[in-house]
Amino acid sequence: QAVVTQEPSLTVSPGGTVTLTCGSSTGPVTSGHYPYWFQQKPGQAPRTLIYDTSKRQSWIPARFSGSLLGGKAALTLSGAQPEDEADYYCLLSFGGAHDVGAQVFGGGTKLTVL
Amino acid sequence: EVQLVESGGGLVQPGGSLKLSCAASGFTFRSYWLSWVRQAPGKGLEWVANINQDGSEQYYVDSVKGRFTISRDNAKNSLFLQMNSLRGEDTAVYYCEVQGYWGLGALVTVSS
Repeated sequence: QAVVTQEPSLTVSPGGTVTLTCGSSTGPVTSGHYPYWFQQKPGQAPRTLIYDTSKRQSWIPARFSGSLLGGKAALTLSGAQPEDEADYYCLLSFGGAHDVGAQVFGGGTKLTVL
Repeated sequence: EVQLVESGGGLVQPGGSLKLSCAASGFTFRSYWLSWVRQAPGKGLEWVANINQDGSEQYYVDSVKGRFTISRDNAKNSLFLQMNSLRGEDTAVYYCEVQGYWGLGALVTVSS
């Protein structure tokens, strides 16, 4: 099965902007991988931020956005807040354009707001 | 309001079996792919399995193929994960997930 890669850790200043990326060992990430992004804080269940590359869940602040960037899926946080410090995971689907198929999580990015 | 409630977790010996259930409400259950995701203590998220709307397609992570079976009952709005031949490395919190909604998880501990 494919390997999905993320930056192990990133640091952003309060109010700053940071981009997390999600790559695939099989080649460029496309919209056909239906990229998801999740946030998880210690002791809590994951929370979905972004689905289908760039669609934001209704309860998610607009400072989170998803895109494709340089052959990878990307999550950009603009105007970081202290409460955004968390682990972030991407999820890619490998079923092709018409099927969800097998899915793989990235290893996660630990984001520090400092 | 979408709700997902997992049950069936617990302590089981290596080689044993366990069946997880996920009771869903608040959405049209039969319309969506459903997934099981797990998280071992101190580790990242791992996708385990998913199933399509009518149950005719299932996919699994390589490490559980032949041991775990995902199924669903659309009449009862329920998702299941039958886990056989359990190993220590299966110890984790197991979450059901649908369209970005998550349950609170069920802890499975495999230990003698």
